[in-house]
Amino acid sequence: DAKTTQPNSMESNEEEPVHLPCNHSTISGTDYIHWYRQLPSQGPEYVIHGLTSNVNNRMASLAIAEDRKSSTLILHRATLRDAAVYYCILRDKGTYKYIFGTGTRLKVLA
Amino acid sequence: GAVVSQHPSRVICKSGTSVKIECRSLDFQATTMFWYRQFPKKSLMLMATSNEGSKATYEQGVEKDKFLINHASLTLSTLTVTSAHPEDSSFYICSAFTRDTQYFGPGTRLTVL
Repeated sequence: DAKTTQPNSMESNEEEPVHLPCNHSTISGTDYIHWYRQLPSQGPEYVIHGLTSNVNNRMASLAIAEDRKSSTLILHRATLRDAAVYYCILRDKGTYKYIFGTGTRLKVLA
Repeated sequence: GAVVSQHPSRVICKSGTSVKIECRSLDFQATTMFWYRQFPKKSLMLMATSNEGSKATYEQGVEKDKFLINHASLTLSTLTVTSAHPEDSSFYICSAFTRDTQYFGPGTRLTVL
């Protein structure tokens, strides 16, 4: 199963952009890159996903490196409600399985 | 859209009893659902893949006779923890797969006394 590597924690000031990095050097050509976030005692919440091209939605943007060995989740203006653990996951195309890494705990400072 | 519910949200039981947790996809059908467990301050660990109308596929190290999974319809999967012991206490989370993505339920906190 493909693995991802993320920093354990990051801090950001409120209303500033946040760039959360993820390395996935063993990604295969058919693996999708998914991002979720999780608040304490809640299930993970879907944020965004992509395959090769950069993606935007109302929550965030996903920038995928040209060689696909890394990606960055971009929160354009962090709010206190964005404080969570963010997981970068590679989805196996055949089984749809996710293997969760340790994630990045984002702290947003008021 | 893509809402997944779990019931109960929390349960406390005595050691040796069995507990059933339900996972429902409310506004879509899901051929494939997943079950995870999560210990405090840890990441989610995949336990098994639940496929409608067929046997579940368990991850290595997960006892299939202890964690019984039934996926009897396209909107419901159940996880039964049989003969629960204190070490089974954990946060159990299900997900349902649709539109290229897994959508997660809110989780069930199981405490075994």
